[in-house]
Amino acid sequence: DGGITQSPKYLFRKEGQNVTLSCEQNLNHDAMYWYRQDPGQGLRLIYYSQIVNDFQKGDIAEGYSVSREKKESFPLTVTSAQKNPTAFYLCASSDGPNTGELFFGEGSRLTVL
Amino acid sequence: GQSLEQPSEVTAVEGAIVQINCTYQTSGFYGLSWYQQHDGGAPTFLSYNALDGLEETGRFSSFLSRSDSYGYLLLQELQMKDSASYFCAVRHPNSGGYQKVTFGTGTKLQVIP
Repeated sequence: DGGITQSPKYLFRKEGQNVTLSCEQNLNHDAMYWYRQDPGQGLRLIYYSQIVNDFQKGDIAEGYSVSREKKESFPLTVTSAQKNPTAFYLCASSDGPNTGELFFGEGSRLTVL
Repeated sequence: GQSLEQPSEVTAVEGAIVQINCTYQTSGFYGLSWYQQHDGGAPTFLSYNALDGLEETGRFSSFLSRSDSYGYLLLQELQMKDSASYFCAVRHPNSGGYQKVTFGTGTKLQVIP
């Protein structure tokens, strides 16, 4: 079955450590996105990519980094520069620019201790 | 900048009809989507409007007025399982011509017996 796989589902990190969240899709989608969601809040865009080897900063990119070396993979690194990293992180993909549907992974819940 | 406004909470009775409004302000516009998210889960796609008018998908309908920068999601024959958060999302261009998807803050719907 096609879909988006995020891992790990739960992650605990000490302050000052970088952590990388994995996002893999087998839908053959060109566009991929990373969102952050805080309790009771909406989704805020961190980074997005429309093609391999290209990505754009979203609205809250500071303290995060991404890469898009392969079409199916879009990992997100939460760096120690991110001041408040505890959140629910959602990866999504879409099939080109003319579709309104984003397909989401199950999310990664990061807790900084 | 961009902003999407939704009511924060709505309560409705099982079997009734409820309308969730969304007003948006973005630089450019391609389309408006709606997503449902249950607590702890990932958002799931409900509908997409690129043109003015009403789109119907089973018990759910979505409306768009581009001239008013306004849309709504209509849920009919409410069921207890419809209790969830609902997000509108706008696909729009960024300054470099790439397509972004910006989400609203979400509306928490509570269906009561």
